[in-house]
Amino acid sequence: QVQLQESGPGLVKPSETLSLTCTVSGGSVSSASYYWSWIRQPPGKGLEWIGYIYYSGSTIYNPSLQSRVTISVDTSKNQFSLKLNSVTAADTAVYFCARGRSTVTPWGQGTLVTVSS
Amino acid sequence: EIVMTQSPATLSVSPGERATLSCRASQSVSSNLAWYQQKPGQAPRLLIYGASTRATGIPARFSGSGSGTEFTLTISSLQSEDFAAYYCQQYNNWPLTFGGGTKVEIK
Repeated sequence: QVQLQESGPGLVKPSETLSLTCTVSGGSVSSASYYWSWIRQPPGKGLEWIGYIYYSGSTIYNPSLQSRVTISVDTSKNQFSLKLNSVTAADTAVYFCARGRSTVTPWGQGTLVTVSS
Repeated sequence: EIVMTQSPATLSVSPGERATLSCRASQSVSSNLAWYQQKPGQAPRLLIYGASTRATGIPARFSGSGSGTEFTLTISSLQSEDFAAYYCQQYNNWPLTFGGGTKVEIK
């Protein structure tokens, strides 16, 4: 079955760019049937949808983050990626990648990114 | 943005008892409502979509109901593995939004 795995630095300095990659196995990001999402969860808090991408490269972002976020897809590597610039401590969270754009399943295990100097 | 409000924040239930979780939307989301279960240190798992349809592999003791702005997740007889946090999520309008969660704990 499809599995997703996030990777990237666990510590990012304030004002810098957070960069994460999601590697998909057991399925293809090029599938016309699915969209691919990023969702985050600050420690001890609820879930926030960041945005999603289609294999064609079309994206939609949460308006609250739109000015700082970029999601891209690399079909040759079967990966999609998240970049969030000008980060602050408020961006400290577990970042999940997942399949879907309305309901999402499955999810990656998540990766904690801490913003701190 | 549609605000999703879950109640109660914490629900204490004994194993074998029924648990009823509520979710309210700030405006109608029709039946475009999902429920997820999250255990500590794990990713959420999709339980219910379309307000009442169980996802693949989800036991029949989980059921969802409601439409418009009021929704309910019922766990008919709590098993030990059901003690977790539960989140509702609307997918009627962008941005998609989640409720704040209900933690189901052992009484």
